[in-house]
Amino acid sequence: GENVEQHPSTLSVQEGDSAVIKCTYSDSASNYFPWYKQELGKRPQLIIDIRSNVGEKKDQRIAVTLNKTAKHFSLHITETQPEDSAVYFCAATLIYGGSQGNLIFGKGTKLSVKP
Amino acid sequence: SAVISQKPSRDICQRGTSLTIQCQVDSQVTMMFWYRQQPGQSLTLIATANQGSEATYESGFVIDKFPISRPNLTFSTLTVSNMSPEDSSIYLCSVGGGVTGADTQYFGPGTRLTVL
Repeated sequence: GENVEQHPSTLSVQEGDSAVIKCTYSDSASNYFPWYKQELGKRPQLIIDIRSNVGEKKDQRIAVTLNKTAKHFSLHITETQPEDSAVYFCAATLIYGGSQGNLIFGKGTKLSVKP
Repeated sequence: SAVISQKPSRDICQRGTSLTIQCQVDSQVTMMFWYRQQPGQSLTLIATANQGSEATYESGFVIDKFPISRPNLTFSTLTVSNMSPEDSSIYLCSVGGGVTGADTQYFGPGTRLTVL
């Protein structure tokens, strides 16, 4: 089955710097890769996702890149702000026939943005 | 996206008892899932709640311990049976399909369970 590895487990940056979180997956059939942000005591919130037919997707200060050959995808946050501090989870799954398989999550990255 | 609610938001239970957690969505969704998140850990899928049929459980989770109902396209329940302190965790439902779109999953607010 699918296995998702996520690095680093913790990341500390200065406000205004960029942050990059990387994930690798094992199942080459996976074709959908979402990223979730979870603030302390809150539910995971979907912040961006990418499908395997796209190499990069951007939404304001966040972007995700996907390398299908190497089976890895990354989250990039530019101009970080203190409110970006949270735990970020990557996930992978196979979407087929309009139905989704089970999301397999990485172990999470705790991002701290220092003012 | 869909509005998802869970009841109860938290509970403290005695070992050996059972707790039923409800997940309600404000629109019809194709997929409903139940996850467990232990403190400081990632999310682990317990089962997929299938409307009108038995749930599909992941390895390590069994129906006798975590019975699930899905009577319609907007509601599901997860029961944690014969609880022990090891069951202390946050239990989250997620939904996908329908108005949320086929690919995306959105999470409910979670139920924080403490077993004494």
